[in-house]
Amino acid sequence: GEEVAQTPKHLVRGEGQKAKLYCAPIKGHSYVFWYQQVLKNEFKFLISFQNENVFDETGMPKERFSAKCLPNSPCSLEIQATKLEDSAVYFCASSQSRQDNEQFFGPGTRLTVL
Amino acid sequence: GIQVEQSPPDLILQEGANSTLRCNFSDSVNNLQWFHQNPWGQLINLFYIPSGTKQNGRLSATTVATERYSLLYISSSQTTDSGVYFCAGPSGSRLTFGEGTQLTVNP
Repeated sequence: GEEVAQTPKHLVRGEGQKAKLYCAPIKGHSYVFWYQQVLKNEFKFLISFQNENVFDETGMPKERFSAKCLPNSPCSLEIQATKLEDSAVYFCASSQSRQDNEQFFGPGTRLTVL
Repeated sequence: GIQVEQSPPDLILQEGANSTLRCNFSDSVNNLQWFHQNPWGQLINLFYIPSGTKQNGRLSATTVATERYSLLYISSSQTTDSGVYFCAGPSGSRLTFGEGTQLTVNP
């Protein structure tokens, strides 16, 4: 598609439950990025992919967070055993090439952990 | 990675006023993006502007890469311009965001 799509829009989980978020990048874009917006004005980079390969995972809390981009499937971000501090808006972005690096953002998934 | 600083942190305008938002970055960049996050949380691309000046309707942006800053101009502001304006620059392939300017346009 011509926009980054993210599902679901909202997700509510009890502490300790699993959460899975999905992202479909713009068609033809080979890079996918995940960001977490915890406080209203603070963005944290999590992970990026070049096609199905992890490109940069230095922002990922590896204990409970994992992500995949498989061919012909939406990318996913999974949080095992959610904690209260995982409550945030998770944005996915895509770009055509790393060198170009203009990133286009999806509408976000708001995760609330109770 | 680079540091990105935005000013002012908050701005309140009357409809019709003009404003300038500033973004300073700590290192030379080969691209810079401006976004508007509306009150519903959507992050909207405004400009991709590594250098020079671009205009889109009532909005324009200028990046002076050699002096490590970018400016976003909003003219004849409207209530729909309210929200948070972010600039972001690259650290490797990832974007580093500033803390944003919260803009409120009153009717």
